[in-house]
Amino acid sequence: KQEVTQIPAALSVPEGENLVLNCSFTDSAIYNLQWFRQDPGKGLTSLLLIQSSQREQTSGRLNASLDKSSGRSTLYIAASQPGDSATYLCAVNNAGNMLTFGGGTRLMVKP
Amino acid sequence: DAGVTQSPTHLIKTRGQHVTLRCSPISGHKSVSWYQQVLGQGPQFIFQYYEKEERGRGNFPDRFSARQFPNYSSELNVNALLLGDSALYLCASSFRQGVDNYGYTFGSGTRLTVV
Repeated sequence: KQEVTQIPAALSVPEGENLVLNCSFTDSAIYNLQWFRQDPGKGLTSLLLIQSSQREQTSGRLNASLDKSSGRSTLYIAASQPGDSATYLCAVNNAGNMLTFGGGTRLMVKP
Repeated sequence: DAGVTQSPTHLIKTRGQHVTLRCSPISGHKSVSWYQQVLGQGPQFIFQYYEKEERGRGNFPDRFSARQFPNYSSELNVNALLLGDSALYLCASSFRQGVDNYGYTFGSGTRLTVV
C-alpha cells in the first residue's frame, strides 16, 4: 500500500526566502507525481505534474524534482511572497486510477 | 472554458439522513474521481468513474455510492450519515482513466457538515 509523507507539517518563513518542501513515498512504482496548492476551505490547484520518466518540472518560481528510486520529491519555491501562504499537497499516482496524498505542508510567509 | 464545477458548495445534514453531491467535469474529460478530505488531513480516494463505469474504489463503506451519467457528470451519494462524514468532498476530472500528460483537475469542493 502506497504511503505518502510530507515534511515539515508546517513552515513559517519571512518574505523573500527560498524554501524546500519535501514529499516521500514508499512504493517507487509510480506513474507520476503531482503537487497541489490548497487555500483554506478551498479546492486544490494543480501546480506541477512530473511523469515517472522526468527528473524535474519548472513553472515560474516553482521547481519540483523527482527521485523515483529513493521515493522522494521536493518542491522548491524561490523568493517566497505572502501570497504563497497556503497548504501544499503532493500526490502520487501509482495505480492509474487514484491519487495517494500526503498530509500537506502548511506554509506561512510573513511580510 | 469552465473548470470542474461542484454543487452545492455547503451543506448541513442531520445524522441518519442521505446526501447527494454533484460534479460536472471539464468539457472533454471522461473520467471523474471523488475524494474526501477531513480537516487537517490530505484527501482520501473514494471512487473513480470512467465512461460511466466504476474503475476504482477506495476503502469506504457501502453507504457511499456514486454514478456517472452519459454527459460524464457524476453524483456521489452517502446514506445514513454519521458525524464522521463531515468533510470537504472534492471532485476531480481527467481526460481519461490512467496516466496522461495533464493529471487531475479538482473542483472547489462541497463542505458537508453532519450535526
